[in-house]
Amino acid sequence: EMQLVESGGGLVQPGGSLRLSCVASGFSVRNSWMHWVRQLPGKGPVWVARLITDGTTADYADSVKGRFTISRDSARNTVFLQMNSLRAEDTAVYYCVRENIVDFPGNFDLWGRGTMVTASS
Amino acid sequence: IQMTQSPSSLSASVGDRVTITCQASQDIGKYLSWYQQKPGKAPKLLIYDGSKLATGVPETFSGRGSGTDFTFTISSLQPEDIATYYCKQYDSLYTFGQGTKLEMK
Repeated sequence: EMQLVESGGGLVQPGGSLRLSCVASGFSVRNSWMHWVRQLPGKGPVWVARLITDGTTADYADSVKGRFTISRDSARNTVFLQMNSLRAEDTAVYYCVRENIVDFPGNFDLWGRGTMVTASS
Repeated sequence: IQMTQSPSSLSASVGDRVTITCQASQDIGKYLSWYQQKPGKAPKLLIYDGSKLATGVPETFSGRGSGTDFTFTISSLQPEDIATYYCKQYDSLYTFGQGTKLEMK
């Protein structure tokens, strides 16, 4: 069974850092486009970052560019989101998501359960 | 690209036909998908490329449109369809709409 499991969320003071992890099972992150999407309760999802199959080409939402970094460890089949200079407006549930570039390019067919990040003093 | 969804909430009865609209701020071709999200769960892909059903999605769900104007329809509302629905463009990176919360009347 294919699965994504996030961890690393928590409470951090504004200006602080967190590193989210996403362990994939049942498929290889090396062969997938992987994303982070965040969502506040009662609000629509917001795309944050993506890493394509070459493992080095990444794109970011303007709101996180220069502060967040997406990366992967193929040996551990894990994707990361390093979040620096956190702001109150970064508070959200963060989902790790797979884009199915073979069957549904541009679309997210596998989501984790999410991990909550709260930036507050 | 901005995505404007309407209505923001909708109340309907079992068996009703339900339609949600999504408008893009610029031409996105066919690159529009629809997701369903139930409370406490992650979104689920229902429709992609404007009108194609994702794997295992029942044919009671449908989508149409291209360019800037899209619609999503549930032909006969069932209790298990109660959820929030989001459109998403993927012509230029990714932008979700603000959602339509569907409630049972």
